[in-house]
Amino acid sequence: DQQVKQNSPSLSVQEGRISILNCDYTNSMFDYFLWYKKYPAEGPTFLISISSIKDKNEDGRFTVFLNKSAKHLSLHIVPSQPGDSAVYFCAASSSSSDYKLSFGAGTTVTVRA
Amino acid sequence: DAGITQSPRHKVTETGTPVTLRCHQTENHRYMYWYRQDPGHGLRLIHYSYGVKDTDKGEVSDGYSVSRSKTEDFLLTLESATSSQTSVYFCAITPGRQSYEQYFGPGTRLTVT
Repeated sequence: DQQVKQNSPSLSVQEGRISILNCDYTNSMFDYFLWYKKYPAEGPTFLISISSIKDKNEDGRFTVFLNKSAKHLSLHIVPSQPGDSAVYFCAASSSSSDYKLSFGAGTTVTVRA
Repeated sequence: DAGITQSPRHKVTETGTPVTLRCHQTENHRYMYWYRQDPGHGLRLIHYSYGVKDTDKGEVSDGYSVSRSKTEDFLLTLESATSSQTSVYFCAITPGRQSYEQYFGPGTRLTVT
């Protein structure tokens, strides 16, 4: 049973606008959350993370929000750029798990010019 | 970029043959992971290692074995390949020590005919 879910397989956004990607989790033991970006024929690359003791983390154009009570996190990309077109994976881990990550199925983002 | 390579990058093999994929790191990280990526599933953990000769199963370990005789190398073996093991395989590393970010290799595309 998938413990991390990304219910939107795809997202299309115009260049310059905001992209919002959503992720839900079911395991209440998760206490660290990450977003990865993946281009075709490459490995995923780490984008941004957040600990469960925070509700927001920002890094340049990327902001991750965490709502623990709803078991929900989101990634905001502002403004969206053509180079942001990629697959984005949400991942989660617990401090007792040998740093193992559980991944969502991914959301394909397409930024239109 | 994390010093992590995978070999081979592409392989086509026949059903029933053994296959070994290699992951090599130059970072001296303690933890190493093997994932497979399939459409609709994101990345799923196959096996992981938390030290030399220390390995454990992930969520989709059936049909796979691993070995780690040196810190820098983590081998994934398909004892008798099946068509359901056609996938893209990624290796990842992390130092642990409260760092949850995993760094991924470029992947191996395996086709079992």
